[in-house]
Amino acid sequence: QLQLQESGPGLVKPSETLSLTCTVSGGSISSFGHYWGWIRQPPGKGLEWIGTVYDSGHTYYNPPLKTRVTMSIDTSKSQFSLKLKSLTAADTAIYYCARGRNGGGPFDSWGQGTLVTVSS
Amino acid sequence: DIPMTQSPSSLSASVGDRVTITCRASENIRIYLNWYQQKPGRAPKLLISGASNLESGVPARFSGGGSGTEFTLTISSLQPEDSATYFCQQSENMPWTFGQGTKVEIE
Repeated sequence: QLQLQESGPGLVKPSETLSLTCTVSGGSISSFGHYWGWIRQPPGKGLEWIGTVYDSGHTYYNPPLKTRVTMSIDTSKSQFSLKLKSLTAADTAIYYCARGRNGGGPFDSWGQGTLVTVSS
Repeated sequence: DIPMTQSPSSLSASVGDRVTITCRASENIRIYLNWYQQKPGRAPKLLISGASNLESGVPARFSGGGSGTEFTLTISSLQPEDSATYFCQQSENMPWTFGQGTKVEIE
């Protein structure tokens, strides 16, 4: 069974850069027909798609975050990562990594999520 | 982007009731609409993809319908374990966007 696990700091200071990694197990990160993504959820609020990375390394980012986001993938480690720079308190959220299906498909497997708090 | 609007924002119903949640897209998204269930402290779980395709292992009391700009998620007979927040998401065009969520409570 596919499993995704986020890892990274739980507390980051304003103006710093957040780095998160998602480790994929129980399946291939290069599996045909899938892509990988990050979604966040401020406490008690709704879901926001951050971006998507394919095993080719091609990326798509949500326009409001585009200037601050970098995503990458390391197929040899079965990991993909998120970097979000110039953090503010508004970036405080639960960050989820997830697998998506190609062809306009949904996110069908999710990590448990990791709470990131931006505070000095 | 394509804003998604869910209604109602919350509802309370009794066990055995039929419950319907509506999701509206600001433009035509054909059938690229997905529904998720999220329980407190847990990640979202995919229930329905492509507007009406029930995911493996999801109880048959859940069903989805619609196309274009208006979609529904129906729970035919509400069960205590269905207490959760439900989100719709469009995957027609990036950026993928989610509805604001509908919280379902059991009376």
